[in-house]
Amino acid sequence: ETVMTQSPAALSMSPGERVTLSCRASQGVSRNLAWYQQKPGQAPRLLIYGASTRATGIPARFSGSGSETEFTLTINSLQSEDFVVYYCQQYNDWPWTFGQGTKVEVK
Amino acid sequence: EVQLVQSGAEVKEPGESLKISCKGSGYSFANHWVAWVRQMPGKGLEWMGIIHPGDSDTRYSPSFQGQVTISADKSISTAYVQWSSLKASDTAIYFCARHETGAEYWGQGTLVTVSS
Repeated sequence: ETVMTQSPAALSMSPGERVTLSCRASQGVSRNLAWYQQKPGQAPRLLIYGASTRATGIPARFSGSGSETEFTLTINSLQSEDFVVYYCQQYNDWPWTFGQGTKVEVK
Repeated sequence: EVQLVQSGAEVKEPGESLKISCKGSGYSFANHWVAWVRQMPGKGLEWMGIIHPGDSDTRYSPSFQGQVTISADKSISTAYVQWSSLKASDTAIYFCARHETGAEYWGQGTLVTVSS
């Protein structure tokens, strides 16, 4: 099973700042990597798939990069609604696996 | 419009059985994988398994193999997950999702509470 490790577990940022979240795979997953945002009480929302392609309707301030074992999600100019939890997920090999999540908090 | 609508919240006692559902609409249900995801209280997301409704090809995550049964009825565009004997540790929100390259469409979640 491919283990996905996200870092940091939480970070404090200010609105308008840029943040970079990291996700590491225990083995290569090519570019079969997705990022999700989850707000309290809601289902996750797909932000990025294929490591760097924004899903339908996702604002351009969200961007993804990386391949194989190292991936990043960057959010430019944090908006108030962005202070929630983010998960990475590999879908290269079954079982698919999520990272444990990164919580972006308001400083 | 693609939609996945899940059945309502359930409160059960340990040892009871349960089957929850996820009905798809707005797309060809038989042609897309449906996944089930567990989220325990205050915790992260876990894939339970996936099913292809067209041929019922089903795969389980090792942690859930033997613990749940995933099925689908393509004639009514509905996927299911069922438990034969619930435990308190099954208390969680369960989501279904349509997965292609990532899960773009999600159900609203079904809260299952198992308590004596």
